[in-house]
Amino acid sequence: EIVLTQSPGTLSLSPGERATLSCRASQSVSSTYLAWYQQKPGQAPRLLIYGASSRATGIPDRFSGSGSGTDFTLTISRLEPEDFAVYYCQQFSSSPPVTFGGGTKVDIK
Amino acid sequence: QVQLQESGPGLVKPSETLSLTCTVSGGSVSSGSYYWSWIRQPPGKGLEWIGYIYYSGYTNNNPSLKSRVTISVDTSKNQFSLKLSSVTAADTAVYYCARDHRWVRGSYGMDVWGQGTTVTVSS
Repeated sequence: EIVLTQSPGTLSLSPGERATLSCRASQSVSSTYLAWYQQKPGQAPRLLIYGASSRATGIPDRFSGSGSGTDFTLTISRLEPEDFAVYYCQQFSSSPPVTFGGGTKVDIK
Repeated sequence: QVQLQESGPGLVKPSETLSLTCTVSGGSVSSGSYYWSWIRQPPGKGLEWIGYIYYSGYTNNNPSLKSRVTISVDTSKNQFSLKLSSVTAADTAVYYCARDHRWVRGSYGMDVWGQGTTVTVSS
């Protein structure tokens, strides 16, 4: 099973700042099978990034993904008030099981 | 616009079987590009993949749930279902159904999600 470790657990930032979220895999993940999601309280997760770096439909260009192998990054270039949420990475490369990271909470400083 | 909607009992007794259905609207469960998935989230915790089914009936489940999981599809009703047997309090969670959009060498991600349904295991 591929374990995804996200860091930091919590990121305290102000609107307008840049957020950099890390997702590290216990073994190599094919980039085409790495995704990122945003989840707000009481809501289902929303797909942000697939294929490690492709934005899903309707996702603003302040969200970007990068990385390969075992290290992946989600960057939010300038935080908007609606971006404060929990973010999860996910891999489909080695299944079963599909696995999620433990999440990074981005909260308001 | 494809939409997914979970349905089923919100309360299940310990040792019994949890049964949920996901109804697909605005699209077809028989489409060949999708794995129809179940994911759960215990209170205050992260996401756990339960398993998925292809329209042909091919399934893949999380080994951590051992043989307790059964996922089935009913193409005539445009639905897929989850059964989780021998439940305990640890199975209390919000259960989501989602569409996993695949291509030959990758995934476009889980691009459509249901709103989620809360299932509590308690006597």
